[in-house]
Amino acid sequence: GAVVSQHPSWVICKSGTSVKIECRSLDFQATTMFWYRQFPKQSLMLMATSNEGSKATYEQGVEKDKFLINHASLTLSTLTVTSAHPEDSSFYICSARELGRETQYFGPGTRLLVL
Amino acid sequence: AQKVTQAQTEISVVEKEDVTLDCVYETRDTTYYLFWYKQPPSGELVFLIRRNSFDEQNEISGRYSWNFQKSTSSFNFTITASQVVDSAVYFCALSEAWYKLSFGAGTTVTVRA
Repeated sequence: GAVVSQHPSWVICKSGTSVKIECRSLDFQATTMFWYRQFPKQSLMLMATSNEGSKATYEQGVEKDKFLINHASLTLSTLTVTSAHPEDSSFYICSARELGRETQYFGPGTRLLVL
Repeated sequence: AQKVTQAQTEISVVEKEDVTLDCVYETRDTTYYLFWYKQPPSGELVFLIRRNSFDEQNEISGRYSWNFQKSTSSFNFTITASQVVDSAVYFCALSEAWYKLSFGAGTTVTVRA
């Protein structure tokens, strides 16, 4: 099956710092990648959709200057949480979709804790 | 408005019992996809099954089966002969335009030995 990796799996940082999370499709080319956020015991909420080589599309209520998304290649997308604050602490999950296929495959997620 | 509703918050069963998870969805699109994903305690979402809106044929895949009924906008999922390793949160999801997924709230399944 399709494999998606995320790095790091865990990150703890001080308030005010920026954190970069990488999402990679390991065995397929991902024309579209998605970033989700999940709070404890809640469902996944889509933050943004990124297509390779173009600007990300953000969902309503998601600050694009806060959550910078780059999808520079067909196998890599990055999410940067800028000037992180404790309320940004969450579980961030990416998914990737191959051109012509409907199924999204998810990465293992990144747990972010901002102190 | 909630596009995907999973009314069951938690289900607890004893090993070898069957578990049926309910999912009701709402969409105006004629072309859409429905999914079930499993999220074990580790956090990673595992793809289980997918159905498109034009295929109402219900199938069985190993211990998993599903019942897709467009007339009632339901996409229920059954685990037969449950095992402890099936303990997880199960999410039903709907994909409409641009392949964006709308997830239900999830159902926590606990299988006791």
